[in-house]
Amino acid sequence: EVQLLESGGGLVQPGGSLRLSCAASRFTFNSYGMTWVRQAPEKGLEWVSSISGSGDETYYAASVKGRFTISRDNSNNTLYLQMNSLRAEDTAVYFCACLPGISASGAPPDFWGQGTLVTVSS
Amino acid sequence: QSVLTQPPLVSAAPGQKVTISCSGSSSNIGNNYVSWYQQLPGTAPKLLIFDNNKRPSEIPDRLSGSKSGTSATLGITGLQTGDEADYYCGTWDDSLSAVVFGGGTKVTVL
Repeated sequence: EVQLLESGGGLVQPGGSLRLSCAASRFTFNSYGMTWVRQAPEKGLEWVSSISGSGDETYYAASVKGRFTISRDNSNNTLYLQMNSLRAEDTAVYFCACLPGISASGAPPDFWGQGTLVTVSS
Repeated sequence: QSVLTQPPLVSAAPGQKVTISCSGSSSNIGNNYVSWYQQLPGTAPKLLIFDNNKRPSEIPDRLSGSKSGTSATLGITGLQTGDEADYYCGTWDDSLSAVVFGGGTKVTVL
């Protein structure tokens, strides 16, 4: 069964930076696009960013474009989300999830990790 | 404001059937596959339906999905207390180049 384990969340001040990681196992990591989805407290799901299996295709939500960067290390089966210029409204649980194919586009995610909490507050 | 529209709440008695609607447009549901997810309190979303109407092997056939035009529907028959959760629809939007979700529907068992 697919396993996705997020880490790197925590408390950060407004304007600060944080890098999230997602360790993947039990599937051929470089054959699947990956995505980050977040959920603010008591709110619904909000897509953040997606990346293709090779890493050469990326997409971002308008709310994070220019501040967040998605990347992946296929040699270590790890997905990353570099978050800069963080704002209070970025406070959320961040989930990584795998896409059904190698592309970064065209479909919603399949399997999800358990999430990591990011809190942006002074 | 979510791109996809779901009712905030649906309720039914144990053993009954509920349906959850998900309304979109030609740039999302109308041209792409829809997935459905269940989120129990404090847990990650779990895939229930993919490609409009397909179930992962571990999902019981009490759950079903369908799509018509720019709308999709999730059905749950034989409602159980364990079905109490939030349910989300999701798809790709060609105009936004983004994954889009509905706002979520809370299912309660009366």
